[in-house]
This record gives sequence, structure tokens and C-alpha cells, in this order.
Amino acid sequence: AAGVIQSPRHLIKEKRETATLKCYPIPRHDTVYWYQQGPGQDPQFLISFYEKMQSDKGSIPDRFSAQQFSDYHSELNMSSLELGDSALYFCASSLFRVSEAFFGQGTRLTVV
Amino acid sequence: DQQVKQNSPSLSVQEGRISILNCDYTNSMFDYFLWYKKYPAEGPTFLISISSIKDKNEDGRFTVFLNKSAKHLSLHIVPSQPGDSAVYFCAASAHHCTGTASKLTFGTGTRLQVTL
Repeated sequence: AAGVIQSPRHLIKEKRETATLKCYPIPRHDTVYWYQQGPGQDPQFLISFYEKMQSDKGSIPDRFSAQQFSDYHSELNMSSLELGDSALYFCASSLFRVSEAFFGQGTRLTVV
Repeated sequence: DQQVKQNSPSLSVQEGRISILNCDYTNSMFDYFLWYKKYPAEGPTFLISISSIKDKNEDGRFTVFLNKSAKHLSLHIVPSQPGDSAVYFCAASAHHCTGTASKLTFGTGTRLQVTL
């Protein structure tokens, strides 16, 4: 069965650079969530989208923005990267009204 | 403010025995609870869930129990197998008045080690 696809799997950026993470949800899933997991921490919710509209906002820095496109894929744009942004970034997708969210393999971002 | 708490950061269980992972929550608006299993550098994998209208849900070796009055849930794995060794996250969500599910709020995780 198709799963959530995230790209790239690994990304190395320098401080103050920008990065774009992509997420392709499971087919027919209309809701996308973004989470950030730092070393030894639980996943922290960043932002979510339903039907291309932002549905929930968590601890997403102002330097980050995200959107969901007409084909339901989502992109997380990160600017002015800081060392503290180094983390695993997970995308998850689900169906409207269904709480079970399925996660991608994540993107490991390293800021040097 | 940690709304979902897993007070045991680690648990070691012998193969064949029962593993019990616990989770407490504070937000009474949560109406759906999930358990995820996570290996290092991989995304969380959905295991089992339970709605707040139930007190038990079973799927093979995995059973989740919900005690709403105590705001407590637990995951039982029996019999435990070495392949179960991973970090287990409890998560909770609430439904908006529109019916859409809210974001998942995760606990801090419990590392389960199943020994031979």
C-alpha cells in the first residue's frame, strides 16, 4: 500500500540558508500534518492543513511557512535556518474526521 | 504544559511476558487516543487506537485500555517479542465542532526493551 512520501530524506544546510521539505500524502488523504522531533524529544506539532487550508497551528516559528497544494501534497519552507532547527521533520496524513494519522519516514535536517 | 504524559521513559520486559505501557492526559477534550511505535530515524508507525466511547480495544497481541475518569490509558503487549523493542508514543486528539480531527498531541515516549 502507498505510504506517506517525504523528500528529501536527508538535508544539510548552513546557517541562514533556506530549505524546502516536501510531503506527498497517502492517496485520497486530504489532511496533512507537520511535526518536528529534536534529539530525545517527542514529536512537536508544527502545522496542519485540510483541503489546502490551514487547520491547526502549533509551535511553528515565523521563519517557517507551509502550504498544501491542489494535489494535496504539502511543502514546509524554512528560512534563516538556525542550528536549533536541526531535527527530524515528519509529515503525516489522514482522512477528514479520522484521527489515525500515518507518518512518512521523515526528513533529517542538519544545520551547520 | 505537557498534556499527554508517559511517566516511564523506559521499560525492560522478558520475551514472552506482558509489556504494559502507561499514559496519562490532562485535557478532557481529548476524545481519541492512539499508540505509535517508533524506531530510530523512522517515522512513527500507527499501532492501535481507541475512541473515548470505549474502554478497551484489542488487535492481536496489542490491547489498549482507557480509563476516562482517571484520564489514563495503557497499552498491553502480550506476549512480548524482541521485535517489539522500540519507543512507544501515546497520542491524543480531539474533534473540532466541525467534525474534523485535531492535531495529535504526543506523549514523551517510553522505550521498550524486550530481552531474551
